[in-house]
Amino acid sequence: KAGVTQTPRYLIKTRGQQVTLSCSPISGHRSVSWYQQTPGQGLQFLFEYFSETQRNKGNFPGRFSGRQFSNSRSEMNVSTLELGDSALYLCASTLGRGDQETQYFGPGTRLLVL
Amino acid sequence: ILNVEQSPQSLHVQEGDSTNFTCSFPSSNFYALHWYRWETAKSPEALFVMTLNGDEKKKGRISATLNTKEGYSYLYIKGSQPEDSATYLCASYTGTASKLTFGTGTRLQVTL
Repeated sequence: KAGVTQTPRYLIKTRGQQVTLSCSPISGHRSVSWYQQTPGQGLQFLFEYFSETQRNKGNFPGRFSGRQFSNSRSEMNVSTLELGDSALYLCASTLGRGDQETQYFGPGTRLLVL
Repeated sequence: ILNVEQSPQSLHVQEGDSTNFTCSFPSSNFYALHWYRWETAKSPEALFVMTLNGDEKKKGRISATLNTKEGYSYLYIKGSQPEDSATYLCASYTGTASKLTFGTGTRLQVTL
């Protein structure tokens, strides 16, 4: 079974631009969660999608948005990039709810904002 | 405890040493406690998901215990090997937050 895939793996953008990151979950998994990792911080929860619906959202500004397609693939978008958005963005998938089920993480997208 | 806290922040042991880390989490509205291992340049890999007070789980030389009443979990590694070098993350899921809240991790380095 293929694992969680994320594209692109690396990205360089400039302030003010927007970016779209993609995540393909493990086949059959319906829940996709997104996390941001910055130096010195734990993984910060961005949002979770289940069956094309946003089920939960973390404490991030509205510039961060996401969506999920009928095939469970998910995208997250960051508009008007700021230097502080430079981070590793991870997505994780589970079969159902994310609470008691193992989360399977992708390799991440490393975003650098100049 | 309002957030998930892990200690120590980093640890340097020699091959063969046994070691343990602590994860403290909010005990109210508790659903589950997750442990992950994150090796450099790889994806976080699940170790355990624990839900019941008193739970003990084991995977090879690694084991974990859970105390939901006082809000802590211990991860033990017996006879550390260089391949155990990684950052160990814990995350709690509470009904209040309805999301996984991660600690900042314990970075373990095992040398020969």
